[in-house]
Amino acid sequence: SQQGEEDPQALSIQEGENATMNCSYKTSINNLQWYRQNSGRGLVHLILIRSNEREKHSGRLRVTLDTSKKSSSLLITASRAADTASYFCATDYDFGTGTRLQVFP
Amino acid sequence: GAVVSQHPSWVICKSGTSVKIECRSLDFQATTMFWYRQFPKQSLMLMATSNEGSKATYEQGVEKDKFLINHASLTLSTLTVTSAHPEDSSFYICSAAGESSGANVLTFGAGSRLTVL
Repeated sequence: SQQGEEDPQALSIQEGENATMNCSYKTSINNLQWYRQNSGRGLVHLILIRSNEREKHSGRLRVTLDTSKKSSSLLITASRAADTASYFCATDYDFGTGTRLQVFP
Repeated sequence: GAVVSQHPSWVICKSGTSVKIECRSLDFQATTMFWYRQFPKQSLMLMATSNEGSKATYEQGVEKDKFLINHASLTLSTLTVTSAHPEDSSFYICSAAGESSGANVLTFGAGSRLTVL
């Protein structure tokens, strides 16, 4: 079953702009993870945020977690064309539907 | 960090043949592995949960006899697509549950693209 839902489903931006993707889930979690997938390729683990954390940074990535709203957001700052990919959130073993990000040079 | 190897990356086969895809955890033991199927521009769809030493748990709508899963060791799970047909053409991805920095994370294989002619 898939309980995570990403919003928006697709996002197109220009290089240099920030991209924000949101994820909502339904049950309580131990941690939430964000993954990236380039077209036709496997998934790459980006960042994990635990249920007792509210914000986490990794390079140009910033993830927030609001357990009261059962939601998380992934912010990519100063986007690059190479950031073009699909981004998924996952809670335990459930996956969201993903956000397809297109960054135009 | 944890690495999962999936083999083969690409496979093309004739209709009616069976194809086996392997998923190996290279540097950790994975009591649980997962198999997903992904259609173009869609999210991953969980097919089954593979538990070492026991039968796999299949998601609703996934044919057990069509997609045979074997998890014979703590580092290897296999998915066999039996009597493959063109509609089975898809991207198949495995993941293994392991621990990283004290938290459970899923590590994914690079995926196997199956094309059935």
